[in-house]
Amino acid sequence: NAGVTQTPKFRILKIGQSMTLQCAQDMNHNYMYWYRQDPGMGLKLIYYSVGAGITDKGEVPNGYNVSRSTTEDFPLRLELAAPSQTSVYFCASSLREGGSGEQYFGPGTRLTVT
Amino acid sequence: QQQVKQSPQSLIVQKGGISIINCAYENTAFDYFPWYQQFPGKGPALLIAIRPDVSEKKEGRFTISFNKSAKQFSLHIMDSQPGDSATYFCAASGRGSSNTGKLIFGQGTTLQVKP
Repeated sequence: NAGVTQTPKFRILKIGQSMTLQCAQDMNHNYMYWYRQDPGMGLKLIYYSVGAGITDKGEVPNGYNVSRSTTEDFPLRLELAAPSQTSVYFCASSLREGGSGEQYFGPGTRLTVT
Repeated sequence: QQQVKQSPQSLIVQKGGISIINCAYENTAFDYFPWYQQFPGKGPALLIAIRPDVSEKKEGRFTISFNKSAKQFSLHIMDSQPGDSATYFCAASGRGSSNTGKLIFGQGTTLQVKP
């Protein structure tokens, strides 16, 4: 049981490039989330999903896109990377909605845009 | 109304001392208050959580105190150990059209426990 896995661990992008951050969970959780973590700012929700085929915006969705074609996978797409997207990105999943159940986090992806 | 404010930003405590981290919220619809612990290079992990029907919850050396009227809750770490050195996040969630099921995190507190 691997829990929540994320790839890559580190990535450097040039301004204007695109990339996909991968996230997978093997706990059969319906709920999945993408957060970004910036120093002194806590975790901000980017997008979330309540099940395959259903996604919705969080607090800071601009510049990102997601898809959820399977229960296991929840990739995050960055289009036209900007320096403001330099951050650590965490994927999480939960059995119940975030307000009533534990969220399990992946190890994170550290992204630098230069 | 969606904010959760956490203090202090950083905290240094001697081994064996008590670490106290405070959070305040504004949205009275919040009804779930977890604390997450994050070690360097790792993702956050749930440490302890409370609902507003109780004023205190204790798990080992970790205690949440909850004051509903003041809209504040705090994490107390008794007999703090160097292994407790980490970043701690409070969070809140509750029913409401704009926040159903989503956690709102505080800014985080970096705790250092000196041996």
